[in-house]
Formats: sequence, structure tokens, C-alpha cells
Amino acid sequence: DVKVTQSSRYLVKRTGEKVFLECVQDMDHENMFWYRQDPGLGLRLIYFSYDVKMKEKGDIPEGYSVSREKKERFSLILESASTNQTSMYLCAGTHRGPGELFFGEGSRLTVL
Amino acid sequence: AQKVTQAQTEISVVEKEDVTLDCVYETRDTTYYLFWYKQPPSGELVFLIRRNSFDEQNEISGRYSWNFQKSTSSFNFTITASQVVDSAVYFCALSEASNSGGSNYKLTFGKGTLLTVNP
Repeated sequence: DVKVTQSSRYLVKRTGEKVFLECVQDMDHENMFWYRQDPGLGLRLIYFSYDVKMKEKGDIPEGYSVSREKKERFSLILESASTNQTSMYLCAGTHRGPGELFFGEGSRLTVL
Repeated sequence: AQKVTQAQTEISVVEKEDVTLDCVYETRDTTYYLFWYKQPPSGELVFLIRRNSFDEQNEISGRYSWNFQKSTSSFNFTITASQVVDSAVYFCALSEASNSGGSNYKLTFGKGTLLTVNP
């Protein structure tokens, strides 16, 4: 089965901390995504990567960066976490065709 | 800019009722894809369907059916004889269908509709 795995389901961090959210996929596919999900706002794209070391900004990249050193791994980095980054973060990869995303279980981040 | 509107924030039905989830989209692209995703209480989004803008045929898969109408920019989703297991948040989404591979995969999601099916 296709699998997208996010390393942490729940994290609690303090304002100003550097936060790493890790995502690994076993689909051997080029495209990976980080979305943020907030109540009443749906899913918003933060960054995506269409190949190793390649990345493109999504709709809300401010305050975030990403790293794609290997095809299977796509990391989201919060350089200095702030309370407004408290959210559910969803990683996804593509497999069979345009837009057919496989999502991980999500990482719920709380910034105090 | 692309936009997806799901006007229904929450819907509550009783088991065995039919229910339609509305989705209206905006895009300047002449070719595009439309999608529906389901997010059950466990949290993991699941792909349900993809539709190419050139294909306006309605689709049926078991109790699920989708009505794509380009004239009204709508892509509605109907569940027939709803069941408790259908309770979830449903998202409609849109992407370009350009030759640039990355753009094909970049989705714009609606805000979702929470469907509750009561026994």
C-alpha cells in the first residue's frame, strides 16, 4: 500500500523555537506537498516540491521553509515558531495522476 | 486566481436520506481538474474522484455520484441512502491542467462541508 508518514502526530513547542515537521513517502514520486488546515479556512498550501532540491511557494509560505534532500523525504521548517502557527499540518504526495494526493495522518502543532 | 466555494458549512441528515454537497469554482483556465476528498474523524484525507474539465459526464460509484456542470461552474456530490460511516468533512478542490507538471498537482481546496449522518 502507498504510505505517507508524518513523524509526529502531536507537538507542543514554545514561541521562538525552531520546529521540524518530517514527512516520508514510499511512492517513489516526485511531487510532495505541505498543507495547513485550520477550522473555517480549509486546507491551504504552504510549499510543494516537484523534485529533489526543488521547491515552490504555495499560498501561505511566510514563516516557513522546506527541505527536500532525498526523494522520499520532505521537511517543513518553522524557523521561529509563533502562536499563529498553531495548526494541523498535512503532508501529501502524488501517485497515480494529477491531484490524486495521498495524505499523511497530520501533525497537530501547538505553539505556546 | 482560482477559488473553490463550498457554501454549506455543516449538514446533518438521518441515515438513508440522500444528501448533496455543493461545490462552485472559479478559474480563468480553460482546462482544469476538479476533485472531491473525504476526511473522516480519523483525520486522513482520502481521494474520491478527479474530473477533467473536458469531461462533463456525470459519474456514479456505488452510492456516490457527481454532477459536473460547466455552465454553472459547479461540481456537486450526492450520497444516496447515506450511512453513519459517511460522516466526515468533504472537500472540493481544483487544479490547473497545464503542461507544467508541478502545476497539475497543486490543488486549491474549498473550506469543506461537515456531514453528520445520524442513526
